[in-house]
Amino acid sequence: DTGVSQDPRHKITKRGQNVTFRCDPISEHNRLYWYRQTLGQGPEFLTYFQNEAQLEKSRLLSDRFSAERPKGSFSTLEIQRTEQGDSAMYLCASSLGGVTYEQYFGPGTRLTVT
Amino acid sequence: LAKTTQPISMDSYEGQEVNITCSHNNIATNDYITWYQQFPSQGPRFIIQGYKTKVTNEVASLFIPADRKSSTLSLPRVSLSDTAVYYCLVGAQGGTASKLTFGTGTRLQVTL
Repeated sequence: DTGVSQDPRHKITKRGQNVTFRCDPISEHNRLYWYRQTLGQGPEFLTYFQNEAQLEKSRLLSDRFSAERPKGSFSTLEIQRTEQGDSAMYLCASSLGGVTYEQYFGPGTRLTVT
Repeated sequence: LAKTTQPISMDSYEGQEVNITCSHNNIATNDYITWYQQFPSQGPRFIIQGYKTKVTNEVASLFIPADRKSSTLSLPRVSLSDTAVYYCLVGAQGGTASKLTFGTGTRLQVTL
């Protein structure tokens, strides 16, 4: 257990529905990252927060995706009008200090869109 | 952006030392080398990070030659529980988060 928690762990939804995932980072970590991982591939960067500010977003992140980190604590990732191609594991990670490769990952939320 | 190349898979017997090599020919001067381990249905776990020569912790050792164009993760006396995917990442601390590229990793299978 790294201290990063994600909720829910599994989500099954029908195409077209909206879903929201939550990430609770390690409390003193000011940096928070979201990744997406599909079967057989490594995690793919989606977006990054420094405290409450969203500083970077991947070009791959469509307008249907939005992320927030109010008050610089927990973060939410929302996917609107889900598509079957959104089925993946969504991972959250946190770190201390500047952008670093020493990140602590949560267990992920597995999304299945039917 | 330094691209990394790792073997797709490796097999080992329990109790053996396993060495996984990562090639990163265009590594930049301020790039670090970082390795992660990932078990099925879990998030990646940071293993070790280094800049040059050798780094050792309680889990693994990381060997980096003088030219830094490759690195080797060494796992001593592996057990069945070391079966996982291992990712090599190369990049600068304090850089842009979007450059944190995991690639496809090396799938290590440990058997009795």
